[in-house]
Amino acid sequence: NAGVTQTPKFRVLKTGQSMTLLCAQDMNHEYMYWYRQDPGMGLRLIHYSVGEGTTAKGEVPDGYNVSRLKKQNFLLGLESAAPSQTSVYFCATGITDTQYFGPGTRLTVL
Amino acid sequence: AQSVTQLDSQVPVFEEAPVELRCNYSSSVSVYLFWYVQYPNQGLQLLLKYLSGSTLVKGINGFEAEFNKSQTSFHLRKPSVHISDTAEYFCAVSDRVGGGADGLTFGKGTHLIIQP
Repeated sequence: NAGVTQTPKFRVLKTGQSMTLLCAQDMNHEYMYWYRQDPGMGLRLIHYSVGEGTTAKGEVPDGYNVSRLKKQNFLLGLESAAPSQTSVYFCATGITDTQYFGPGTRLTVL
Repeated sequence: AQSVTQLDSQVPVFEEAPVELRCNYSSSVSVYLFWYVQYPNQGLQLLLKYLSGSTLVKGINGFEAEFNKSQTSFHLRKPSVHISDTAEYFCAVSDRVGGGADGLTFGKGTHLIIQP
């Protein structure tokens, strides 16, 4: 029972490149979330999903897209990476009153 | 919309001393309240949560927090800290009306530094 896993753990991109971050959960939760963590800023919600096939924007959605084609997976895409997207990205899954976080993906955009 | 203010970015404390990490929130609707801990280079782990009922909530690792509705606060306390408590602590809220589905709003974090 792995809980919440994120792939990859680390990635370095050049400005303008694209990539997809994968979040997978085996907890059978309906809700999934993507956050970014920047020094001194806490975590901020990028996008979220309340069920398979549904997505919604969070606080900082610009420059990102998401998809939830299967209940257990939530993908975060960067179409044209920018240095401002250098961050640590956390996926979380949840039920009504609790969220469970993955280990994070550290992304650097040069 | 909600917001969370953690009043201290860093709190240095001597080992075995008590500690209080402060958190205030603002919201136009009623909220659930949470404290998470993040150890270096790791994800976030739930310490405790307030959903309803008793305003004093006990969590893991000897931590507790008290919900004060009139002061819109949810301060975290521990009577005696250990070196292993060195970590970043985040206060967070979610919208009770939406059932907590639409994500958490976090404070900027408080770095707890335990000095031997």
